Amino acid sequence: SQQGEEDPQALSIQEGENATMNCSYKTSINNLQWYRQNSGRGLVHLILIRSNEREKHSGRLRVTLDTSKKSSSLLITASRAADTASYFCATDVRSGNTPLVFGKGTRLSVIA
Amino acid sequence: DAGITQSPRHKVTETGTPVTLRCHQTENHRYMYWYRQDPGHGLRLIHYSYGVKDTDKGEVSDGYSVSRSKTEDFLLTLESATSSQTSVYFCAISDRDYNSPLHFGNGTRLTVT
Repeated sequence: SQQGEEDPQALSIQEGENATMNCSYKTSINNLQWYRQNSGRGLVHLILIRSNEREKHSGRLRVTLDTSKKSSSLLITASRAADTASYFCATDVRSGNTPLVFGKGTRLSVIA
Repeated sequence: DAGITQSPRHKVTETGTPVTLRCHQTENHRYMYWYRQDPGHGLRLIHYSYGVKDTDKGEVSDGYSVSRSKTEDFLLTLESATSSQTSVYFCAISDRDYNSPLHFGNGTRLTVT
């Protein structure tokens, strides 16, 4: 069953705009991770945020985590056409020693 | 890319035939995983391994088996392929534990006719 659920399913923006994607999850976690997938390729790890962190930055990426709401957001600032991809959140389950569970992803299209 | 190679990259097979997909890593990572990706379902875990000869089932393991006789190789076998197993299969690896970032291969596109 899906632990994380991304929202929206699809997002289309103009180059230079910011893109925000959200992830909600069901059970307590140790950490939450975001991945990017370009068409026809495997997923690439972007950023990991631990349950005791509220915000994390990596280049043009900003991730927030609200454990009280069981949600996370991924913000891509000043988007580029090359950011066109699908973005997935992945979570563990705090109470279990089990592999990551992925959401269904958000498809981002950045129009030049 | 991390040293992960999946083979074959594409395969078309007939219903009822056995199929084996291979994942080979050169990173010496302990953990290896097989996921399948289908439209509307995202990535779902099939099987995973936490060491040589140590494997366990994931969310969608029915119809699949795995083997890991060496650190670097993780094989996924469809004993008797069905059309519902048409999918893109991804292998992933991680080093320290299940919470570590995953490194993915580029996938195998399997079509069962």
